[in-house]
Amino acid sequence: GAVVSQHPSWVICKSGTSVKIECRSLDFQATTMFWYRQFPKQSLMLMATSNEGSKATYEQGVEKDKFLINHASLTLSTLTVTSAHPEDSSFYICSGGSSGNTIYFGEGSWLTVV
Amino acid sequence: SQKIEQNSEALNIQEGKTATLTCNYTNYSPAYLQWYRQDPGRGPVFLLLIRENEKEKRKERLKVTFDTTLKQSLFHITASQPADSATYLCALEGTGFQKLVFGTGTRLLVSP
Repeated sequence: GAVVSQHPSWVICKSGTSVKIECRSLDFQATTMFWYRQFPKQSLMLMATSNEGSKATYEQGVEKDKFLINHASLTLSTLTVTSAHPEDSSFYICSGGSSGNTIYFGEGSWLTVV
Repeated sequence: SQKIEQNSEALNIQEGKTATLTCNYTNYSPAYLQWYRQDPGRGPVFLLLIRENEKEKRKERLKVTFDTTLKQSLFHITASQPADSATYLCALEGTGFQKLVFGTGTRLLVSP
């Protein structure tokens, strides 16, 4: 089956710095990928839709200047958390799909801002 | 407003029994509904998809029903095993293709 790979699996960064998370589709081309955030014991919340070759579409309440999304190729989308603060600490997950309605999720990336 | 509700309390059952999880939604007219399994610290794994014109779908020990009148889906695991212990999420399509909106999930604990 299709695989979506995320990197890094976990990252610790200092408050005020930026961190980039990569999401790769390993055996399919993803024109659209999605970025979710999940706080402990809560559900996945969609942050933005990443479109290959164009600007991302952000959900209401998500700061586009803080969460920069780049989808430069059909197999790679990146999420950069800029000027990270402790409240940005969360589990970030991407998803994508190529055929029908099957959607594949990455393993997630744990971000801790100290 | 749109809402997807799953029982937030953990469901504890004994091995071999059938687990039944509920997903209720309001203010949606989804074309399809999906169920996912999520283990702690991992991304969700797709289990089953059921379309609005389907009443029931099965896959091995899993069965999903979809009642668009009641706006409810039931997810059954028969002959449950301790390895089935996880959080199960239901999800509906949002305002775009593959754009999923998730319920809060129900944690299932299967005791040996």
